[in-house]
Amino acid sequence: DGGITQSPKYLFRKEGQNVTLSCEQNLNHDAMYWYRQDPGQGLRLIYYSQIVNDFQKGDIAEGYSVSREKKESFPLTVTSAQKNPTAFYLCASRRTGTDYGYTFGSGTRLTVV
Amino acid sequence: AQKITQTQPGMFVQEKEAVTLDCTYDTSDQSYGLFWYKQPSSGEMIFLIYQGSYDEQNATEGRYSLNFQKARKSANLVISASQLGDSAMYFCAMRGAPSYNQGGKLIFGQGTELSVKP
Repeated sequence: DGGITQSPKYLFRKEGQNVTLSCEQNLNHDAMYWYRQDPGQGLRLIYYSQIVNDFQKGDIAEGYSVSREKKESFPLTVTSAQKNPTAFYLCASRRTGTDYGYTFGSGTRLTVV
Repeated sequence: AQKITQTQPGMFVQEKEAVTLDCTYDTSDQSYGLFWYKQPSSGEMIFLIYQGSYDEQNATEGRYSLNFQKARKSANLVISASQLGDSAMYFCAMRGAPSYNQGGKLIFGQGTELSVKP
């Protein structure tokens, strides 16, 4: 079955370390998105990509970086510059040209220790 | 700027009763889409219902219906015959007009936590 796979489900990071969250989709979707969710809050957009080798900053891009070398993959790196990285991270994808049809991954919970 | 507002942080409903979750939005786009998602404690986002700005009829999907009042910029979710499994966070979201700069991104509200009582 097609879908989005995020790994790992839980991730622990020491202060000052960079970590990379994986997001892979086999839906042949063009657009991919990374969202951050803090406890009791809505989702905020970090980065998005509409085609391979191109991506744009969202509302809270500082301290994060992404790449889109393959259509299927959109990894997110949380750098040491992100001052408060503890959060739940959700990846999503969408086939461009459709009004809706977003698919979300199951998320990665990142904790700084 | 686009914005979604959900003013009910938490709500309780008795099992088998109907409940309305409020959502208001702000946008200058003529073409937009409105979504409702359910997020159980596991964290996954479950799509419930969609309403396009040009759709004249309110969207319905099983026990879910969207009360779309365009002039008031509201898109309330109505859940009929609540079930215990409906207990979760519910998010209203909006997609702006299709354009490369917009990227088809979704803007989310703060969410409403719904608790269904037996």
